Amino acid sequence: NAGVTQTPKFQVLKTGQSMTLQCAQDMNHEYMSWYRQDPGMGLRLIHYSVGAGITDQGEVPNGYNVSRSTTEDFPLRLLSAAPSQTSVYFCASREMFSTDTQYFGPGTRLTVL
Amino acid sequence: QQQVKQSPQSLIVQKGGISIINCAYENTAFDYFPWYQQFPGKGPALLIAIRPDVSEKKEGRFTISFNKSAKQFSLHIMDSQPGDSATYFCAASSGGGADGLTFGKGTHLIIQP
Repeated sequence: NAGVTQTPKFQVLKTGQSMTLQCAQDMNHEYMSWYRQDPGMGLRLIHYSVGAGITDQGEVPNGYNVSRSTTEDFPLRLLSAAPSQTSVYFCASREMFSTDTQYFGPGTRLTVL
Repeated sequence: QQQVKQSPQSLIVQKGGISIINCAYENTAFDYFPWYQQFPGKGPALLIAIRPDVSEKKEGRFTISFNKSAKQFSLHIMDSQPGDSATYFCAASSGGGADGLTFGKGTHLIIQP
């Protein structure tokens, strides 16, 4: 049971490049989400999904796209990276009707030059 | 608009002392209040959580105190140890958490030996 896995661990992009941050969980959790963490800002919700085929926007969705084709995977896409997207990105999952424990992945540190 | 305000930003406590971190919220619909612990290079991990039907919850050396009328909650770490040195985040959610957690900005706690 690997929990929540994220790849890559580190990434450097140039402004305007695109990339996909991968997230997978093996706990059969319906609810998955993406957060970004910036110094002194805490974690802010980007997008979330309550099940395969269903996604919605969080607090800071601009510049990011998501899709959920399977229960296990929830990739985050940056279509045209900007320096303001330099951050640490965390994927998380939990059971849909339980807020008690949300499991976070180890994070992806992204730098946009 | 920051819905969960956390203080202090940083805290230094002597080994064996009590660490206290405070949070205040604005949204009266919040009904779940977790605390997360994060070590450098790792994702946040749930430490302890409370719901507003109780005023206090204790798990080992960690206690949450909750004041519904003041819209405040706090984390107390008794007999603080160097291994407790980490960043702590308070958070809140409502309605089953479908739209994610709202995090405070974090407290960097250092326990001096």
